Amino acid sequence: DAGITQSPRHKVTETGTPVTLRCHQTENHRYMYWYRQDPGHGLRLIHYSYGVKDTDKGEVSDGYSVSRSKTEDFLLTLESATSSQTSVYFCAISDNRPYEQYFGPGTRLTVT
Amino acid sequence: AQSVTQLGSHVSVSEGALVLLRCNYSSSVPPYLFWYVQYPNQGLQLLLKYTTGATLVKGINGFEAEFKKSETSFHLTKPSAHMSDAAEYFCAVSNDNQGGKLIFGQGTELSVKP
Repeated sequence: DAGITQSPRHKVTETGTPVTLRCHQTENHRYMYWYRQDPGHGLRLIHYSYGVKDTDKGEVSDGYSVSRSKTEDFLLTLESATSSQTSVYFCAISDNRPYEQYFGPGTRLTVT
Repeated sequence: AQSVTQLGSHVSVSEGALVLLRCNYSSSVPPYLFWYVQYPNQGLQLLLKYTTGATLVKGINGFEAEFKKSETSFHLTKPSAHMSDAAEYFCAVSNDNQGGKLIFGQGTELSVKP
């Protein structure tokens, strides 16, 4: 299994509070991704990174920011959590072509 | 634009029966194609991939898929379903113009009846 960890694995927070999720890899892969998974919506890309300090938006980036200051860590921040951000969040990594991605175990976030 | 369509959000088979999960894609350049499996409360796990070369690719757990360029399809099959195959399956496509991104289908939930 690819060395990907996510922390925390479960979190309950209140509306309006900031939340940071961490993804850590030991594979030295170039690309890192954050997805959210919701029933009926499949996997949706939030943000991704193609190198240290190089990030770009995905299809559902509103309300989220990311940072990648070193190869192994990719942080996802919800500046002010809302109930619509209750979801399961997955981190993934990949290297160059063919860009197959390897997924972390997920973080279940509940915003009350 | 690239896209993936998985036909059937739910598929139910009997144990021992053939599993066939359908995936059609669109890609403006040669695609890289993937199937992932997700068991409850887990992340996605790569089942198999097509990059170039042999169009019939074999993966883990007895699954295989065939790349058919003329049909823009990459259907997943397994000759004999096992109870442990019950999970959600995702087809995905990438290519050299995607900037490292995968485009995922909506997923197909496979149920296996005893």
